Amino acid sequence: GAVVSQHPSWVICKSGTSVKIECRSLDFQATTMFWYRQFPKQSLMLMATSNEGSKATYEQGVEKDKFLINHASLTLSTLTVTSAHPEDSSFYICSARVLGTSFYEQYFGPGTRLTVT
Amino acid sequence: AQSVAQPEDQVNVAEGNPLTVKCTYSVSGNPYLFWYVQYPNRGLQFLLKYITGDNLVKGSYGFEAEFNKSQTSFHLKKPSALVSDSALYFCAVRALMNTGFQKLVFGTGTRLLVSP
Repeated sequence: GAVVSQHPSWVICKSGTSVKIECRSLDFQATTMFWYRQFPKQSLMLMATSNEGSKATYEQGVEKDKFLINHASLTLSTLTVTSAHPEDSSFYICSARVLGTSFYEQYFGPGTRLTVT
Repeated sequence: AQSVAQPEDQVNVAEGNPLTVKCTYSVSGNPYLFWYVQYPNRGLQFLLKYITGDNLVKGSYGFEAEFNKSQTSFHLKKPSALVSDSALYFCAVRALMNTGFQKLVFGTGTRLLVSP
């Protein structure tokens, strides 16, 4: 089946620094990738949607300049958390969709746990 | 706004017994409902969906879900639980934006523990 990987699986960074999370589709081409965030005991919340070669579309309330998303190829999307603060500590999950499939047919990565100290 | 609620943080069941994981929804219009499962250290996987048709929908791994419009529920069920069913289960609903963009709105998840 289709596999999506994320790297790193967990990361600890200091407040004020930036951290990059990679999301790769290993055996298929992902025309659309999604980034979600999950706080403890809360739902997965969609942060942004990105199509290959286009700028990402951010959900309301998500800071574009803080969460930089790049989807430069059909197999790789990156999320960079800039000037991270402790409140950015969360579980970040990406998913990928193939062109022509339904919106719910997303393949999810295992997630990246970010802790900002 | 579309939303789903999963009232139980955790469900415990003995192997071989039937299991139910609850989900209620709140939508305007016809609901598109989904269940996903997340095994340890793995990404979420699609289990089943209800869009239209029979109220009882069947999915992967022997799971099924019953759509109940009057109770606005979409509970996940399995007649006989397996230890390997132990995982985190998410209910989700479609949100249709004015732009035509469709996205998933997830519940908080329910951890299912099946004991031997």
